[in-house]
Amino acid sequence: DIVMTQSPLSLPVIPGEAASISCRSSQSLLHTNGYNFVHWYLQKPGQSPQLLIYVGSNRASGVPDRFSGSGSGTDFTLKISRVEAEDVGVYYCMQGLQTPFTFGPGTKVDIK
Amino acid sequence: QVQLVQSGAEVKKPGASLKVSCKVSGYSVTELSIHWVRQAPQKGLEWMGGFDPEDGETIYAQKFQGRVTMTEDTSTDTAYMVVSSLRSEDTAIYFCAIYADRSDAFDIWGQGTMVTVSS
Repeated sequence: DIVMTQSPLSLPVIPGEAASISCRSSQSLLHTNGYNFVHWYLQKPGQSPQLLIYVGSNRASGVPDRFSGSGSGTDFTLKISRVEAEDVGVYYCMQGLQTPFTFGPGTKVDIK
Repeated sequence: QVQLVQSGAEVKKPGASLKVSCKVSGYSVTELSIHWVRQAPQKGLEWMGGFDPEDGETIYAQKFQGRVTMTEDTSTDTAYMVVSSLRSEDTAIYFCAIYADRSDAFDIWGQGTMVTVSS
C-alpha cells in the first residue's frame, strides 16, 4: 500500500498570512497520463470532507484561488496564500493512483 | 446537481450486521462510481472500497474483504453498504462519496452516518 505522510500535523495560522502543508508518498504518484494522482481535501469541523485540489494542482469547482497545489512524484504542497477564518479544519492529502486509496494523517489548521 | 443523502445514525451490538444507505439525487446511480470511506472517532479517513467502472466490479480494501458488501438498487438510485460481524473498532462515521471521472477524485460526499458498536 502507498503510505501518505503530512507535515506539520498541527498548524496555527494568523488570518491574512500564508500557510503551507507538505505531503509525501511512499512511491511516485505520477500516472502515465502525466498527472500526479494526489488530491487535497478539507474537512471543516462537523462536516464531510470537501475536495479542494485534484490531480496535484487543479482547483475543484468553487474553491477560492487562494488555494493552490504543487509538486510531483512523491513530494506535494498545498498552499493557502492568505488564510481566512473559514479555512480552519483538517486538511488531508490522498493518493488516487492505485487501490487501496490512502489518505495522509491530516493537518489540523486553526487560528492562532 | 448530484447529491448524496445517507441514512441515520445506528447503534449496534458486537457481532451484529449494519446496513447503511446512500440515496443519489440528480443522477442515476448506474452512471456513478460510489465509494465508501470511514472515519473512526478523532481519527483520519480510511477508504473501504467502491465501484470500478473500468472493470465493472466492486473493489474492496483487503482489510474489509469478506466482511463488507457494497451494492446498488437501480430502481431507487440508492447505494448500500453492509458490514457484518461488527466489532467495537467499527465505531466510526461512514461516508459515501462519488469518484468523478472529471477529477479522478471524490468530489461529492454524503453527510456521513455515525455508527456506534457497543455491548
